[in-house]
Amino acid sequence: DIQMTQSPPSLSASVGDRVTITCQASQDITKYLNWYQQKPGKAPKLLIYDASKLETGVPSRFSGSGSGTDFSFTISSLQPEDIATYYCQQFDNVPPTFGQGTRLEIK
Amino acid sequence: QVQLVQSGAEVEKPGASVKVSCKASGYTFTNYAMHWVRQAPGQRLEWMGWINAGNDKTKYSQGLQGRVTITRDTSASTAYMELSSLRSEDTAVYYCARPNSGSNWRFDYWGQGTLVTVSS
Repeated sequence: DIQMTQSPPSLSASVGDRVTITCQASQDITKYLNWYQQKPGKAPKLLIYDASKLETGVPSRFSGSGSGTDFSFTISSLQPEDIATYYCQQFDNVPPTFGQGTRLEIK
Repeated sequence: QVQLVQSGAEVEKPGASVKVSCKASGYTFTNYAMHWVRQAPGQRLEWMGWINAGNDKTKYSQGLQGRVTITRDTSASTAYMELSSLRSEDTAVYYCARPNSGSNWRFDYWGQGTLVTVSS
């Protein structure tokens, strides 16, 4: 199985800050990567697909980039409602696998 | 609007089986697959398997092969996930997830989750 490693595991930032999370795949996955947001007690929500495409209805402050083995997810200006855990997911190979998550907190 | 509504929380003893349902509405059930993903407390999401609701074909995670069975009832627009020989490590929230029409691996609709607790 492809291993997905996110960093950092947790992050504390202030409202308005630019926040970046990275995700590294154990092998080349081209652009087959999605990003999800999960709030406590809720199901994940798709934000970014195919590494850089914004899901319909998702605010433009969210973005993704990367290809191959190294990817990043950015919130350009952190809002209070962005407090959540974020997961990357590869789907180049079956089974699809997820990163361990990055927990984002407000400073 | 698309909705996936799952059955309620379950408490099972080790060695037992559990069956979780996922009732779909707001779209043509047989036009999409349905995946199952679980999340143990404090852990990452884990893909379990999927069913093509149109032709009933399934594929499972190798790690759960032999213990997980995914089925569907087209007349009820409902998918089911049954997990047998339960262990304490199976304690988790179980989600059904419907993929996007453009990609079987982009999960854009999720059920609310079903907590399964395995405890003696």
